[in-house]
Amino acid sequence: DIQLTQSPSFLSASVGESVTITCRASQGINNYLAWYQQKPGKAPKLLVYGASTLQSGVPSRFSGTGSGTEFTLTITSLQPEDFATYFCQQVNSYPPFTFGPGTTVDIK
Amino acid sequence: EVQLVESGGGLVQPGGSLRLSCAASGFTFSGYDMNWVRQAPGKGLEWVSFISSTGRTTYYTESVKGRFIISRDNAKNSLFLQMNSLRVEDTAVYYCARAYTSNWQPDAFDFWGQGTVVTVSS
Repeated sequence: DIQLTQSPSFLSASVGESVTITCRASQGINNYLAWYQQKPGKAPKLLVYGASTLQSGVPSRFSGTGSGTEFTLTITSLQPEDFATYFCQQVNSYPPFTFGPGTTVDIK
Repeated sequence: EVQLVESGGGLVQPGGSLRLSCAASGFTFSGYDMNWVRQAPGKGLEWVSFISSTGRTTYYTESVKGRFIISRDNAKNSLFLQMNSLRVEDTAVYYCARAYTSNWQPDAFDFWGQGTVVTVSS
């Protein structure tokens, strides 16, 4: 099975800052990587698929890059509504459809 | 508007059974692969099971194989998860999630329900 790691696990940032979250796969997954945002008590929301394609309706301050084993999600100019937990997911080799452990973005 | 509404969760003793349902609306249900994903309290997301649009292909995470059965009724726009021999470690919020697929390959889970809580405890 493919394993995903995320770094950092937790980050503290201020409104207006830019942040980058990294997701690494234990083996190459081409660009079959998705990113989700989850707020407490809510279902996950798809942000990015295909490593870099923004889901319809997602603000352009979110962007994804990467291929192979290393991927990043960048949020430029953090907004108050962006404070949440972010998960990556690989859909290249399944089953299983593996999720990363998550990165919590908190308000500094 | 795409909607997925789960139901059927509750409190059950270890070894017991539950059947989760997910009612879909706002899209052509029979055209989409579907999934169940769970989240234990304070933990991350764990994919549980997948079913193809026709129901012919199913997959399970290793820990539920032989205990859980995924199924669907395309005539009733419904997805199900029959959970047997439940364990304490199955305690979680269970989400149904639609697979967005292009070129015969799932790309992501693009719509999720609000989740239903399953608690396994004596």
